[in-house]
Amino acid sequence: DTAVSQTPKYLVTQMGNDKSIKCEQNLGHDTMYWYKQDSKKFLKIMFSYNNKELIINETVPNRFSPKSPDKAHLNLHINSLELGDSAVYFCASSFRTSEVGNEQFFGPGTRLTVL
Amino acid sequence: GESVGLHLPTLSVQEGDNSIINCAYSNSASDYFIWYKQESGKGPQFIIDIRSNMDKRQGQRVTVLLNKTVKHLSLQIAATQPGDSAVYFCAENRGGGSYIPTFGRGTSLIVHP
Repeated sequence: DTAVSQTPKYLVTQMGNDKSIKCEQNLGHDTMYWYKQDSKKFLKIMFSYNNKELIINETVPNRFSPKSPDKAHLNLHINSLELGDSAVYFCASSFRTSEVGNEQFFGPGTRLTVL
Repeated sequence: GESVGLHLPTLSVQEGDNSIINCAYSNSASDYFIWYKQESGKGPQFIIDIRSNMDKRQGQRVTVLLNKTVKHLSLQIAATQPGDSAVYFCAENRGGGSYIPTFGRGTSLIVHP
């Protein structure tokens, strides 16, 4: 009965490789997000999708390509991985409508290590 | 630059004490604020929120205070417990229909038994 799930939890790969992280939510939310958290715990939003449409792209390199096959899923594909991509990536979901607040539900995170 | 910041990166308290975690924001138009708790190895978890038309909101053992005059937000935790040890983030929605939160740097709360 996990609300927001991500796979894999850990990902170790070589520079230059291409990898994907999957995210699914079963909360019925219409909006999903990807965040990057660096080693100093700073959380930075990368993308936001509302009903499968890209809403926010916060100056993320085009090596990062989100894909939303339906509003319950938001996957993140990363091409040509670089050392600086090493971080914890969090998926989150919420309702967009401000009337119900914008509390976000976060997944457990995917720790990506690029060697 | 960031519009949401924290005064104390680390706060150490004794079990049973009250904790106060502070947050400054710079955007006067921000209309909604949230506090999140992130335990080690987990994603952030919602604690409490407050809208800009309020100055105080209470939950179970937690209280959020909002001072719009000085653009300051605080989270008070009563009778802090070891299980409260975590990193705490404040986040703001910048108003104007924006629903994308901007997160502050985070404060690490350490509770000593």
